[in-house]
Amino acid sequence: KAGVTQTPRYLIKTRGQQVTLSCSPISGHRSVSWYQQTPGQGLQFLFEYFSETQRNKGNFPGRFSGRQFSNSRSEMNVSTLELGDSALYLCASTPGTGPEAFFGQGTRLTVV
Amino acid sequence: GDSVTQMEGPVTLSEEAFLTINCTYTATGYPSLFWYVQYPGEGLQLLLKATKADDKGSNKGFEATYRKETTSFHLEKGSVQVSDSAVYFCALSFSGGYNKLIFGAGTRLAVHP
Repeated sequence: KAGVTQTPRYLIKTRGQQVTLSCSPISGHRSVSWYQQTPGQGLQFLFEYFSETQRNKGNFPGRFSGRQFSNSRSEMNVSTLELGDSALYLCASTPGTGPEAFFGQGTRLTVV
Repeated sequence: GDSVTQMEGPVTLSEEAFLTINCTYTATGYPSLFWYVQYPGEGLQLLLKATKADDKGSNKGFEATYRKETTSFHLEKGSVQVSDSAVYFCALSFSGGYNKLIFGAGTRLAVHP
């Protein structure tokens, strides 16, 4: 069974640009969550999608948004990038039958 | 609010030493508890979990017991290997349909031969 797939693995963007990251969950998993990991703030929850609906949202500005498609694949978008958005962005999928989450390898975003 | 506190690292051990990484939590309800491990350049891997008080999670020689009375979930391993060198994260989440993990700051473990 394939794991969680995130693309791209690495990304370099310029301040003010926008970026879209993609996540394909484990087959059959309907919940997808996104996390930001930085050395200063650690792992922080961004949002969770289930059946194409955002169910939960963390404390991030509106520049961070996401969506989920009918096949459970998810994308997150960050607009008007700031230097502080440089981070590892992790996607996790959850089967719904238990609380454990399975993570992808992440997308390393660098804003210059 | 809900939170997780882990002992600060780095933790440096010799191979075959005993490992303990402390984790305590603050929560309004009865969460599930997890340990995740992150190897360099990788995402997070679920190491073990416990979903109710007194449950013991175990995997690959690692163990942790859900202690409601002390709100703790300490990670232990009897004999560490160099390959265990990684960052370990303690986390909690609540059931009920909202899959949000709250993580501790992480503890870096370095094991030397």
